[in-house]
Formats: sequence, C-alpha cells, structure tokens
Amino acid sequence: GAGVSQTPSNKVTEKGKYVELRCDPISGHTALYWYRQSLGQGPEFLIYFQGTGAADDSGLPNDRFFAVRPEGSVSTLKIQRTERGDSAVYLCASSLGGPDTEAFFGQGTRLTVV
Amino acid sequence: SQQGEEDPQALSIQEGENATMNCSYKTSINNLQWYRQNSGRGLVHLILIRSNEREKHSGRLRVTLDTSKKSSSLLITASRAADTASYFCAPRSGNTPLVFGKGTRLSVIA
Repeated sequence: GAGVSQTPSNKVTEKGKYVELRCDPISGHTALYWYRQSLGQGPEFLIYFQGTGAADDSGLPNDRFFAVRPEGSVSTLKIQRTERGDSAVYLCASSLGGPDTEAFFGQGTRLTVV
Repeated sequence: SQQGEEDPQALSIQEGENATMNCSYKTSINNLQWYRQNSGRGLVHLILIRSNEREKHSGRLRVTLDTSKKSSSLLITASRAADTASYFCAPRSGNTPLVFGKGTRLSVIA
C-alpha cells in the first residue's frame, strides 16, 4: 500500500476482553515499531521488530501485551485481559531499517476499554 | 535507546513569527530526527540530521545540532496556522528504536 495501515481505526472493548490490533507496514520495510500514546503525552515505545524478530521489546508494560510479525510484514499487537488503563491510541510505524532511515507512521488505533 | 527532552513544553506565537524549540539528549548519537504530530494521530517525519552535520534546512525548517552540548534546535520561520502541532525529537544511536519525549505543543494564532 501507499502508507502504513492500521486496523481498526477505533476499537471499544469491555474490561477483561482480548483485543488484537493490526499493522500493515509499507512494502519492503524491514523495521516495524509499536507505540501507545495517551492524551497530552508523547508516543510511548512498546516494541521494535527487525524482520520477523523482536529486536527490542523492553517497552511492553507487562505480560498482557504481546506482538508478533510472523512473516516479516504484517504485525499484530495483542492485549489480553484488557484494563481501563490500556485505553490509548496505539501507533505503528515502519522504516527501511538502518540507523539513518525515517519512520512512517500509521494513523493509529484508538482503543477504549470500558 | 534514549529519548530526547523537548523544551519548551508549550509555545504560542502569532502567525508570521518564528518558532524555536529545543531538544536535549544524554549520550552520543548517530543522528537526531524531528517529527510533527497533528491531532494526536500519526507522526510525520520532518528532518534528520546526522551527528557530523551542524545545520540542515528543509523549506521553512532549520535544524541545528551541537553534539558537544548534546542538543538540537528546530526553527520554523514565518509560521502559519497549519504549523500548529506537537513536535518531537528522537535522538538515535545505531539501530536502536526511535524513542520520543513529551514534545513541544506549538500553537500558531492567526
């Protein structure tokens, strides 16, 4: 596609439910990032993939959060037993990889846990 | 990975004025990137400056980098209402992830 695509754009779920958020990166981009952002804050780093493997998952807040990228393209962020505090905009970005490359962001998924 | 700290947290100026925001970081870098975010959705890359560069221009944007002070500044000249957004810096060392601070919220008043 022309840009990074995130689906759904909005998701409302009940506390305790499981959710999956999808990110389709730009074709050919080997690096993929997930962030979450609360109102008035900067994007909080969650996890970074190079290809299929998680190069850095130090930002995942706890074991309820998990992300996969099985074929080195599409990635899914999975959140188990959602809590109201998980409500935020979840942003995905991709880049060609390498230190001097820019990241392209999707428009985010707004997750609301009620 | 390291995150930059943007300063000021908020800035309000009149249309046509220049806006300057600063970024400080802690350890040596390969490059520093600036991003803009409108309306709390996706960030847009503005400019990348490498550690061996001191100044870079792109349209109305001018970025400087002082590695001895571990700081960078972003200048937007002749600001427009459409420049109203949050601005983030991301210092980068090697192939580490991009990490963002709280940003500078710029308001340009028409």
